[in-house]
Amino acid sequence: GENVEQHPSTLSVQEGDSAVIKCTYSDSASNYFPWYKQELGKRPQLIIDIRSNVGEKKDQRIAVTLNKTAKHFSLHITETQPEDSAVYFCAASEPDSWGKFQFGAGTQVVVTP
Amino acid sequence: EAQVTQNPRYLITVTGKKLTVTCSQNMNHEYMSWYRQDPGLGLRQIYYSMNVEVTDKGDVPEGYKVSRKEKRNFPLILESPSPNQTSLYFCASSPPPGQGGSWPQHFGDGTRLSIL
Repeated sequence: GENVEQHPSTLSVQEGDSAVIKCTYSDSASNYFPWYKQELGKRPQLIIDIRSNVGEKKDQRIAVTLNKTAKHFSLHITETQPEDSAVYFCAASEPDSWGKFQFGAGTQVVVTP
Repeated sequence: EAQVTQNPRYLITVTGKKLTVTCSQNMNHEYMSWYRQDPGLGLRQIYYSMNVEVTDKGDVPEGYKVSRKEKRNFPLILESPSPNQTSLYFCASSPPPGQGGSWPQHFGDGTRLSIL
């Protein structure tokens, strides 16, 4: 089955700087890659996702890039703000089971003013 | 208000005492799923359901059961809970994956289970 590794596990950035989180996956046939944000004590919420037929997707200060050859995808947050502080999870759907997901272990992002 | 509702939110119980965590969604979503969240391990999928009467195992199904008799409900059953099932549990629902579009899972607020 699919295996997703996420790095780093913690990331501290100064407000206004950029943050990058990287995930690698094992199954080259995986085709859907969402990113979820979980604030302390809250539920995870989808912030951006990408399909395997797209190399990059942006939504305001957030972008996701996908490198199918290298089997990795990354979350980029520009001009970070204190409200970006949260745990971020990447995920990949199993190629043969659309509803089956593998999540990364998560990245704790701390944005310091 | 569109939402996924889990009950109970918190439960402390003892080994071997059967329990059920309910999950209900009011968005008419076909897809529902259960996850457990443990420190350092992220979210791990327990079971998922693509529609009524269709359920499949996720990554960590051992010790759990589910049923999907109605579209809106997807209860998680621990027949004989053990301490290693102490965790934070999330239920999620989603409409069918669109062609090329987003497929957001809407999560409930979570259920914190402690098995003594």
